Order: sequence, then structure tokens, then C-alpha cells
Amino acid sequence: QVQLVQSGAEVKKPGASVKVSCKASGYIFTNYDINWVRQATGQGLEWMGWMNPNNGDTGYSQKFQGRVTMTRSTSISTAYMELSSLRSEDTAVYYCARNVRLTGDFDYWGQGALVTVSS
Amino acid sequence: QAVLTQPSSLSASPGASASLTCTLRSGLNVGSYKIYWFQQKPGSPPKYLLKYKSDSDKEQGSGVPSRFSGSKESSANAGILLISGLQSEDEADYYCMIWHNSAWEFGGGTKLTVL
Repeated sequence: QVQLVQSGAEVKKPGASVKVSCKASGYIFTNYDINWVRQATGQGLEWMGWMNPNNGDTGYSQKFQGRVTMTRSTSISTAYMELSSLRSEDTAVYYCARNVRLTGDFDYWGQGALVTVSS
Repeated sequence: QAVLTQPSSLSASPGASASLTCTLRSGLNVGSYKIYWFQQKPGSPPKYLLKYKSDSDKEQGSGVPSRFSGSKESSANAGILLISGLQSEDEADYYCMIWHNSAWEFGGGTKLTVL
């Protein structure tokens, strides 16, 4: 069965960086894009960007351009999202989600990874 | 002004129908967009429900009951998620999403209470 399993919770200080992983199983990793979506406590969903695991192409939300980097390791079917220059407003649950290429069919989601930014 | 606007909350009774709206910002034409809908329950990631552009271009998510359906109200420039035969398990947050200017945009979400 398709699964996206994310890394665990992180606590970071302002100005630091965080790297969240998303390990895919149950399907061919390179056949679907991976998106990253975050959600602050009690707030709505916020899309951060997408990555094509087949060739590494990425597309980022303008809001995060320059601060976010999405990469992958095809050998271990894992996608990564790194966010730098963290501030308190980046405290949120970060989700990875698979989508059928060129569609918004975010049909499988990771369980989420809580990132807390606090001094 | 946000790209997509959803009412923050909606209440409906079990067995009734609920119509959740997703209004596009002025200047954007709902007819040009495919609208995606997601359901999220507390403590869980979102679940993909369906997508709707027109009656001839729509698709249900895998395993999603047919009592969840999509439509549009052109006069209101809005996408609609209709949930019929409401059940207590439908109580959740619902989000719409479109692809706009090379980015996925989410609405702010509607909290549906079934009581």
C-alpha cells in the first residue's frame, strides 16, 4: 500500500534551518510529484512547493522562494524539504503529499512533522 | 484579497445536505479553473475528496462516497462542495484548492459541524 512516512518532530531556534524527510513506499517514487504543505496550529493549509522526483525539478511558492529547498534521494525513495532562516511564524505541522503529475490530486499524505521554532 | 474565500463555519443537521462554497477573487473566472476539495479531521492529514471543473470534467477521489459532489455557481463565481445525507463522521474542516499563477492556492477552510 502507498505510504508516505515523515521524520519526527523538531525544535529549532530562530535563524536555524530544518530538514524534514518524507519516505515513500508502495509505488514508483519517480512517477509522482511530491508537494509540501504546512499548517500552523488552528490555521489553514498553506502550499509551499512541489518537486518532480524523476528529474529534481521544483516549483516554489513565492512566499518561500529563497528560503526553501526541496530535494530527493531516488535510491531510498525519499523527498526532503529544507526551510532556512526560521522564525516563530514557521512553527507548524509540515506535510508531504503525493500528486498525480500536472494535477491537484494530492491523493496520499504523510502523517505530518511538527516543527517548533522557539528561542 | 485572498485568491479563494470560504466561510469559516457551517452547521447542518444529520441527514440534511450541506453546500460549502469556495469563492474566487474578483477578476478570476470560476469557469476557467478545476477546483479540488479536501476534508481534514482533527489530528489527521487532509484527505482528497474530488475535483470539479464541469459536469464533463470531474472526478471522485478513490473510495469517496457519491454523496460528496462538486459543482459551480457561475453567478457567484464560486465552486461548491455538496454533501448530501449528512452523517456525524462528516464533521470536519473542508478546503478548496486551485492552480493559479504557477502555484497551488488553498481556501481558508470551512469548519462543518453536524448537529
